[in-house]
Amino acid sequence: QVQLQESGPGLVKPSGTLSLTCAVSGDSINSDSWWSWVRQPPGKGLEWIGEIYHDGRSNYNPSLKSRVAILVDKSKNQFSLKLTAVTAADSAVYYCARNGWYCVDEWGQGTLVIVSS
Amino acid sequence: QSALTQPASVSGSPGQSITISCTGTSSDIGTHNYVSWYQQYPGKAPKLIISEVSNRPSGLSNRFSGSKSGNTASLTISGLQAEDEADYYCSSYTSSTFYVFGTGTRVTVL
Repeated sequence: QVQLQESGPGLVKPSGTLSLTCAVSGDSINSDSWWSWVRQPPGKGLEWIGEIYHDGRSNYNPSLKSRVAILVDKSKNQFSLKLTAVTAADSAVYYCARNGWYCVDEWGQGTLVIVSS
Repeated sequence: QSALTQPASVSGSPGQSITISCTGTSSDIGTHNYVSWYQQYPGKAPKLIISEVSNRPSGLSNRFSGSKSGNTASLTISGLQAEDEADYYCSSYTSSTFYVFGTGTRVTVL
């Protein structure tokens, strides 16, 4: 049973960089899966941020592409999210997830990140 | 790329069937059979309930079914139960190699 656990600061200052890590257990980051980040502002809907494969290939939501980077660390079986130049609109619960066949089949519990001074 | 359009709320009585629509475009739902549906309880992570338009994960109740026609996908919940009260989101792969989610539908069991 795969488990995904997000970690990182819960508070980020405006114009700063949001950095989160997702630790994967019960599956290998080297498996034939893509790994995603999805976010959900409080009281609002889901937004797909991007995905990465263990060989470093990535795809991003065009609306965030200029500010986002997703990286993989195979030695630690984890992947990470960096979002630059954050504003209050980036405040959300951030989920890391494993992709199934063109879907998300496993989710982390989510971590709330607030952008505020 | 705008979010897929879902009704904000749908309600039904126990035992009834309800259908949630999810409308996209020819660049997502209309072209790709990669529509998925997720159930989310308040304060919890979403859970996959339908993939590839109509496939249920192993062990999931057959009361949930999915379909697609043109640019619109649908999720039907039959034999509505109190435990089905949750938020539901559709999602589709797009021709721009990314995913888009729906606006979300709150299901209320009367």
